[in-house]
Amino acid sequence: QSALTQPASVSGSPGQSITISCTGTSNDIGTYNYVSWYQQHPGKAPKLMIYEVSNRPSGVSSRFSGSKSGDTASLTISGLQAEDEADYYCSSYTISSTSVFGGGTKVTVL
Amino acid sequence: QVQLVESGGGLVKPGGSLRLSCAASGFTFSDYFMSWIRQAPGNGLEWLSYISSRGHTIFYEDSVKGRFTISRDNAKKSLYLEMNSLRAEDTAVYYCARHSGWGTFDIWGQGTMVTVSS
Repeated sequence: QSALTQPASVSGSPGQSITISCTGTSNDIGTYNYVSWYQQHPGKAPKLMIYEVSNRPSGVSSRFSGSKSGDTASLTISGLQAEDEADYYCSSYTISSTSVFGGGTKVTVL
Repeated sequence: QVQLVESGGGLVKPGGSLRLSCAASGFTFSDYFMSWIRQAPGNGLEWLSYISSRGHTIFYEDSVKGRFTISRDNAKKSLYLEMNSLRAEDTAVYYCARHSGWGTFDIWGQGTMVTVSS
């Protein structure tokens, strides 16, 4: 199973909105609405930010939103804040009953 | 509180073996599927394996199939990963994670470092 494709880096100024894409195939994102997004600060464990494409766990800011079109999922961070600077990973369930992650995107707040 | 704590990492020679453990607390462990996920230094996350709540269903990522074995002991609220024939490329932080749905990992441990080197 090949990794999902994410841009290596995305940057934005405080207050701006940014979007991170995550491209898979019909074997994963294109077939299932089981896409999730994780935030990881340096030296820390990943944290679930979005599940099942667009759902936010309790406690996650409404500034984080998710969507999907075809084989590509997206994470949007609106009102960018300094604390949002981190690595972000997408993940999807696959037709092989496994999971696959994206390569990760480093978000920089300018 | 809901918590996962991994242990068992360390330095091992190529070809060697290691057994990782993950202790769960704060939730009914036997109700949840569990996964192992790793992260090589400076790299991204890689899903390795999951086990169903009662251990009847197990899946592995191709690169570890035949070398790694996932298991659980619900009475001890613990998850395990037996790793054999270790290679340098298995060097990584290994996380255990709880499933909250298909392919959703809602609780993660702090990770345990495995270094494979001679």
